[in-house]
Amino acid sequence: AQKVTQAQTEISVVEKEDVTLDCVYETRDTTYYLFWYKQPPSGELVFLIRRNSFDEQNEISGRYSWNFQKSTSSFNFTITASQVVDSAVYFCALSEARTGNQFYFGTGTSLTVIP
Amino acid sequence: DTGVSQDPRHKITKRGQNVTFRCDPISEHNRLYWYRQTLGQGPEFLTYFQNEAQLEKSRLLSDRFSAERPKGSFSTLEIQRTEQGDSAMYLCASSLAWTRAWDGYTFGSGTRLTVV
Repeated sequence: AQKVTQAQTEISVVEKEDVTLDCVYETRDTTYYLFWYKQPPSGELVFLIRRNSFDEQNEISGRYSWNFQKSTSSFNFTITASQVVDSAVYFCALSEARTGNQFYFGTGTSLTVIP
Repeated sequence: DTGVSQDPRHKITKRGQNVTFRCDPISEHNRLYWYRQTLGQGPEFLTYFQNEAQLEKSRLLSDRFSAERPKGSFSTLEIQRTEQGDSAMYLCASSLAWTRAWDGYTFGSGTRLTVV
């Protein structure tokens, strides 16, 4: 079964608009970690944010913010005032305490920011 | 240190040929991971090493795949008798010993394999 679901395949926004990327996860572990990674055309995965299952406090880091809700198993990610350099594929990922040596990635959301 | 290096960046091979990829992790990182990413999908875990020991292998790692890390530094991933379904991006990552995925990996830029 897919542990991480990103229903949005592609999103296009105009520069300076805000954009929210959705992520729904599934796990039986009580201890787990959620991540967002960015994959630009060059291919490497760039770490953006991490949240553990015990901390539902939502935060803002620069232009990034996230909304973690255990009740709905969602971990959404928002980019405020989008820029062309934000164009990339964004992956949500899950790591479980039980199998802590690997990530389970979603299928990714391709974001295009139009100047 | 320039991060995790993978070589080659791109590889085109004919079906049935063998290919080998190399990954050089960050020098002080004891753990090394291989992931495979097919088009339109997220990366999928293949295997990981702690030093030279291969500690975990995914079911995705068929008999045609073999990974080694002989001296606990660089690693190689070999695919024998390549098939078109092997076409993918092969990503390597590394991390410090005693860390788990939640402590974060550093990923390389990947090797893109195309089997024709």
